[in-house]
Formats: sequence, structure tokens, C-alpha cells
Amino acid sequence: GAVVSQHPSWVICKSGTSVKIECRSLDFQATTMFWYRQFPKQSLMLMATSNEGSKATYEQGVEKDKFLINHASLTLSTLTVTSAHPEDSSFYICSATLGDRGPEAFFGQGTRLTVV
Amino acid sequence: GENVEQHPSTLSVQEGDSAVIKCTYSDSASNYFPWYKQELGKGPQLIIDIRSNVGEKKDQRIAVTLNKTAKHFSLHITETQPEDSAVYFCAASIPSNTDKLIFGTGTRLQVFP
Repeated sequence: GAVVSQHPSWVICKSGTSVKIECRSLDFQATTMFWYRQFPKQSLMLMATSNEGSKATYEQGVEKDKFLINHASLTLSTLTVTSAHPEDSSFYICSATLGDRGPEAFFGQGTRLTVV
Repeated sequence: GENVEQHPSTLSVQEGDSAVIKCTYSDSASNYFPWYKQELGKGPQLIIDIRSNVGEKKDQRIAVTLNKTAKHFSLHITETQPEDSAVYFCAASIPSNTDKLIFGTGTRLQVFP
């Protein structure tokens, strides 16, 4: 299957600082990537759809000014958590689809964010 | 909007037994149904999927069945092994130009040796 790489795998930051998470499709081009958030023992909650070359589409209740998404190329999308607070601590996961080649979505390994 | 329900939330089986996880979806327009396995601290891994024009699909010990009329689909794992222990998520795709996935609530499967 296709490979999606996410970096970093974990990060600890201080309250009020910003953190950037990268999501790369390594062996295919992804016009669309998705960002999810997952709390312990819970399901994946879709935060936003990242579209290459255009603005991201955010799900209801997700603050677009807090979770900045940039999809600058066909292989890279970034999620920046701005002015992070302890309640932002979570597991963030990205996925990328094959686009015209099919609906299959492949996930990165996730990023554990801890805000102290 | 689409809603996906998944049962059971936890499932314990003896090694060698079969495990079945069931999901129902609400949007009849959904046409793609993947299953993911997630191990602790890792991202979900696609293990099998099925499209709406197929009723059953099998890959070695894993099979998925789809009943479009009843809007439910199931994951079947036969001859379970301890390494099958993980959290399993079903999902349904909302047809659009982005194929957004809506996930079920997950099933924690434990396979005891």
C-alpha cells in the first residue's frame, strides 16, 4: 500500500507556543489529505480536509484559526496548533487518499502532542 | 449526516476462535467501507475494504460482508492469533470529491493464547 509519513511522532511544548506537524505522502501524490484528532480510547474525529492549493475545509466545531492547515504541495500537508493549551493535548493523525486512483485512505503513524 | 455505529466495543476470544465485528451506517449513498486495525500509539492500518457493488470480500483469515439493504457490514477474523489483538475501526465513505471517511467507535479485540 501507499506510505504516509508523519513527523514528529511525539512532541512536548509549553502552553502558548505553536507546534507544527507534517504529513507527507512518500510514494504517491495526494491532492487531498485529512487531519484527525483522537482522544484516549476513542475513535478518530475528523478535524479538516486539506486541499492542495486551496483553503482547508474544517469540520463543525473546529477552530480554523487555532488549527492552521497548509497543503503547499501534492505530497505535503502541515497542521499547526497555535497558542497551544493543555486541552489541545491529543493524538493527531493525518491520512491521504489516492484520489482518482481510488478511495483508499492511508494513515500516518500519528503525533502525540503534550502541552504542559 | 452519516453516522456509523460499531459493536461490540470490546471482544475477547481464545486463540484459534473466530471474531466478528459489526457496523451499521445511515447514509444509503455511502459506497466504500474500509476496516482499519490500530495498535497502541500507532496510526490506523487498512486491513480490508469493500465497495458497494460487492457483497463479500476475503483476504486470507480476514473477510468483510456488506448488506446494502440493511446498511450494515461486518468484519470476520478466523483462526485468531494473539497478534490480532488491537483496536479495529470500521468506516464509511461519503461520496464526494474528497471521499471523507466517517469512523465507527472502535472495537478492542483481545485474543488470549
